[in-house]
Amino acid sequence: EAGVAQSPRYKIIEKRQSVAFWCNPISGHATLYWYQQILGQGPKLLIQFQNNGVVDDSQLPKDRFSAERLKGVDSTLKIQPAKLEDSAVYLCASSRNEDTEAFFGQGTRLTVV
Amino acid sequence: AQSVSQHNHHVILSEAASLELGCNYSYGGTVNLFWYVQYPGQHLQLLLKYFSGDPLVKGIKGFEAEFIKSKFSFNLRKPSVQWSDTAEYFCAVNAIRRSQGNLIFGKGTKLSVKP
Repeated sequence: EAGVAQSPRYKIIEKRQSVAFWCNPISGHATLYWYQQILGQGPKLLIQFQNNGVVDDSQLPKDRFSAERLKGVDSTLKIQPAKLEDSAVYLCASSRNEDTEAFFGQGTRLTVV
Repeated sequence: AQSVSQHNHHVILSEAASLELGCNYSYGGTVNLFWYVQYPGQHLQLLLKYFSGDPLVKGIKGFEAEFIKSKFSFNLRKPSVQWSDTAEYFCAVNAIRRSQGNLIFGKGTKLSVKP
């Protein structure tokens, strides 16, 4: 079974630029999560989707971050404009449904300079 | 606010030594508990989880964890570590009403095993 795919693996941008990350979950997985992992810290949930609907976005900085999962499969996470403190690894995870184990992708490492 | 504390930032052991990584959580209700592992260059993987029942949970690769409700703890143990256990270990919790992937993670403990 193929895992959660994320791209790009690495991204370097200047502050105030915009950036987008892409996630392709495991086939058939209805639930999708985006996490932010800042160096030296554990992952922090940004947003959770169930199919194409948002279940939890309480920790998403909505002034600059947005995410969508239009067809209930792939998802994109966007930051506009980026700040230095957004430098982190952005992890995508998916699960078959809300009551099953989440599987993580390898993440996208973002550096904002 | 809910939080997870992992006591050790970096643990260095020799092969065959015993391992215990501490994890304490702060939450006012019933929780599910997890340990995840991230091997160098790889993605986060579930090591074991506790939902209910026997507080001693066995996971993959010889790891186990014990849930002590009175201490709000869920420590990870392994009797004899191997060089291949070198990785970062994350403790995580979620409220039982939340999805299994809706997690609060600790800061992680880096384990280095010397051959």
